[in-house]
Amino acid sequence: SDVLTQPPSVSVAPGQTARITCERDDIGSKSVHWYQQKPGQAPVLVVYADVDRPSGIPDRFSGSNSANTATLTISRVEAGDEADYYCQIYNSSRDHPWVFGGGTKLTVL
Amino acid sequence: VHLEESGGGVVRPGGALRLSCEASGFTFDDYGMSWVRQVPGKGLECICAINWNGVTTVYADSVKGRFTISRDNAKNSLYLQMSSLRAEDTAFYYCARERSASYGFDFWGRGTLVTVSS
Repeated sequence: SDVLTQPPSVSVAPGQTARITCERDDIGSKSVHWYQQKPGQAPVLVVYADVDRPSGIPDRFSGSNSANTATLTISRVEAGDEADYYCQIYNSSRDHPWVFGGGTKLTVL
Repeated sequence: VHLEESGGGVVRPGGALRLSCEASGFTFDDYGMSWVRQVPGKGLECICAINWNGVTTVYADSVKGRFTISRDNAKNSLYLQMSSLRAEDTAFYYCARERSASYGFDFWGRGTLVTVSS
């Protein structure tokens, strides 16, 4: 099976920078997407294709992807950024190509 | 863009249920669509997907042979027929739009809860 590994939790103080990682062998060869999910709400796409942001997503959210690690970076963290974050790839070599990471709970201290 | 799921509820093990997802605000048949589920308190699982014209469908092993995804482009609607339901199918079910693999799931519905319990 294809596994994307995320840390269960990340904590950061307001105004600081949060980095959430997503690890997989050779993930740099895949296009990685990131979703934010607040309690009781549906996921929202915040970064797609490694580095791009959908319309309406603040530029405080950015992504990178290289070698075995993809990273979602949230700059100048706000209380409203507290949420679960999931990475996702499309692995065309699999019969069922959509793979999600296990999710990371971002806590704003 | 708006996606709205309906049809969730409580069903007994071995039972069946049909979920619907009504789409609006975009050209429905320009997009592939998927169903993504989430066990309460757990992560996301894409369980099935369908291409723009309904010809190609893909299923996760966890639902293959029990669930059927379909769409009616004339009605801007996506469906999930679920049968032989198990307790482990209890989850929130979201419909999600996917422009292509390179763009991810760019819009999601609010979800509908399916509870499989005796």
